[in-house]
Amino acid sequence: GAVVSQHPSRVICKSGTSVKIECRSLDFQATTMFWYRQFPKQSLMLMATSNEGSKATYEQGVEKDKFLINHASLTLSTLTVTSAHPEDSSFYICSANPGTTNEQFFGPGTRLTVL
Amino acid sequence: DAKTTQPTSMDCAEGRAANLPCNHSTISGNEYVYWYRQIHSQGPQYIIHGLKNNETNEMASLIITEDRKSSTLILPHATLRDTAVYYCIVRVASNSGGYQKVTFGIGTKLQVIP
Repeated sequence: GAVVSQHPSRVICKSGTSVKIECRSLDFQATTMFWYRQFPKQSLMLMATSNEGSKATYEQGVEKDKFLINHASLTLSTLTVTSAHPEDSSFYICSANPGTTNEQFFGPGTRLTVL
Repeated sequence: DAKTTQPTSMDCAEGRAANLPCNHSTISGNEYVYWYRQIHSQGPQYIIHGLKNNETNEMASLIITEDRKSSTLILPHATLRDTAVYYCIVRVASNSGGYQKVTFGIGTKLQVIP
């Protein structure tokens, strides 16, 4: 099946700093990628839809100026958490659809801890 | 996308079949039933999907009732590695690609017991 990778897998940062998370589709092109956030013992919550070559679409309640999304190529989307605070600590997961199947392929996730 | 209802948790003995139910009584005619699972601290993994016919692959079987208002995911011989949260999702699917976001519910936490 199609493979989606994320980097880094785990990151610890100080409060007030910015953190960039990369999501790559390794063996397919994805015009659309999705970013999710998952707090402990909760389900995945969709944050935004990343569209190649255009602005991301954010879900209600997600601050677009805090969670910057860039989808510069058909295989790479980045999520930047700006001015991170401890409450942003979470498991961030991306997914992508190849467009040729009905499946949605997920990355392994990035564990962000803000001190 | 239609809403689904799943039990919060289930136990299954290792080696036995795990049957995970899902209710989707408001499913529309063009919505598929998808199953994903998430092992602790990993991204979700696609398992199987179907429209109205029963489906089987190397991981599991999907049984969809004739009225499509419910379905059951069957793991024929559960192993300890099958311990995970299983999500049942119904959504429109097409092969034309593009915008197909997946909305997750709470899912069923399956614990496979030795």
